[in-house]
Amino acid sequence: QVQLQESGPGLVKPSGTLSLTCAASGGSISTSNWWTWVRQPPGKGLEWIGEIYHGGSTNYNSSLKSRVGISLDKSKNQFSLNLNSVTAADTAVYYCARSTSSYDSTNYYYYYMDVWGKGTTVTVSS
Amino acid sequence: SSELTQDPAVSVALGQTVRITCQGDTLRNYYATWYQQKPGQAPILVIYAKNNRPSGIPDRFSGSSSGNTASLTITGAQAEDEANYYCNSRDSSGTHVVFGGGTKLTVL
Repeated sequence: QVQLQESGPGLVKPSGTLSLTCAASGGSISTSNWWTWVRQPPGKGLEWIGEIYHGGSTNYNSSLKSRVGISLDKSKNQFSLNLNSVTAADTAVYYCARSTSSYDSTNYYYYYMDVWGKGTTVTVSS
Repeated sequence: SSELTQDPAVSVALGQTVRITCQGDTLRNYYATWYQQKPGQAPILVIYAKNNRPSGIPDRFSGSSSGNTASLTITGAQAEDEANYYCNSRDSSGTHVVFGGGTKLTVL
């Protein structure tokens, strides 16, 4: 079973760039899955940031699209998140996850995140 | 609409049955997925693709759907079920992902 582990700086200065990596172990990221970033501000709910497909296609949260980038490094079996021009509002626990998106025999769609990293806390402060 | 709406809080007596709901237009085309999150922990998947449970999830957890509303039912709630529950799906465009605001479940 694949396991995911986030890593990166825990403190980022305002207006700087938040960069995180999610390393996969026990399985390959070159599978028919989306590789996803989710964040959770202190005391708040989950917010989807974006995703990358194993083939390289990306989708991003519209509210973050101008500042976010997600990339895949198959040689290192990992994917990464970059978020620029950060402010205090970007302070959160950041999770990476493996996602599956498909449909059943009735043509009803489904989407789920079945493998999650433990999360890493990023604080934006000077 | 690309939003998913959940009640902020629900309570249930120990051993009783509780239903947590999630509403949104996208649920007319997408099954809701349900996650459980306990304080300080990452979310875990509990129900996906209408009513499928990953390995290790107790069978007291079940899912259902009707129109634009999905439900997570816990039959015989246990103390360890006290947590926040989030629903999730893609939006109607199929290119974005949305979460409900979460429901805090208290087991009395």
